Amino acid sequence: KAGVTQTPRYLIKTRGQQVTLSCSPISGHRSVSWYQQTPGQGLQFLFEYFSETQRNKGNFPGRFSGRQFSNSRSEMNVSTLELGDSALYLCASSLEGTGYEQYFGPGTRLTVT
Amino acid sequence: GQSLEQPSEVTAVEGAIVQINCTYQTSGFYGLSWYQQHDGGAPTFLSYNALDGLEETGRFSSFLSRSDSYGYLLLQELQMKDSASYFCAVRDSGGFKTIFGAGTRLFVKA
Repeated sequence: KAGVTQTPRYLIKTRGQQVTLSCSPISGHRSVSWYQQTPGQGLQFLFEYFSETQRNKGNFPGRFSGRQFSNSRSEMNVSTLELGDSALYLCASSLEGTGYEQYFGPGTRLTVT
Repeated sequence: GQSLEQPSEVTAVEGAIVQINCTYQTSGFYGLSWYQQHDGGAPTFLSYNALDGLEETGRFSSFLSRSDSYGYLLLQELQMKDSASYFCAVRDSGGFKTIFGAGTRLFVKA
């Protein structure tokens, strides 16, 4: 089975712009979670989706949003980018959404200048 | 709220055994997971413990004590390729959010 894929892998944006990141989970996996990883803050939970429904959202401002499509693919959007949004954004999928065993994509490295 | 504590760094010699501890505070508990992440790579799932005791998978073992809110990852016959960051993780009380520890950086020396 193909693993979790994320596009794009690298992105450079300017402050104030917006960005959309995409994640395709492992075939058959219905749950997708998103994390922000920075050197000082570790892995911070952003959202979790299951069957197109957002089940939970982390402690991030409303500029961060996401969605999941009927084929389980997911996107996250960050509007009005700030320098502090520079990070590795990781997507993870799991089979039934229990979250105990998650499979991560390679991530999107976002740099905001 | 939920929190996990693990050492920031551990150093060990090739061929040795190393234990990475994780203590957690949660209002509800569904089990403890472990992930490995090499520099520049994505986290990869290693193990999951829902019940007390030791789970063994090759050179890696994971232990859980629910009464002590404590678990550890045991790596045996250390190899240079084991140099990586190791994260423990729990699901939150609602079950729809995964909380990760800050990670333990393991350095394996020759």
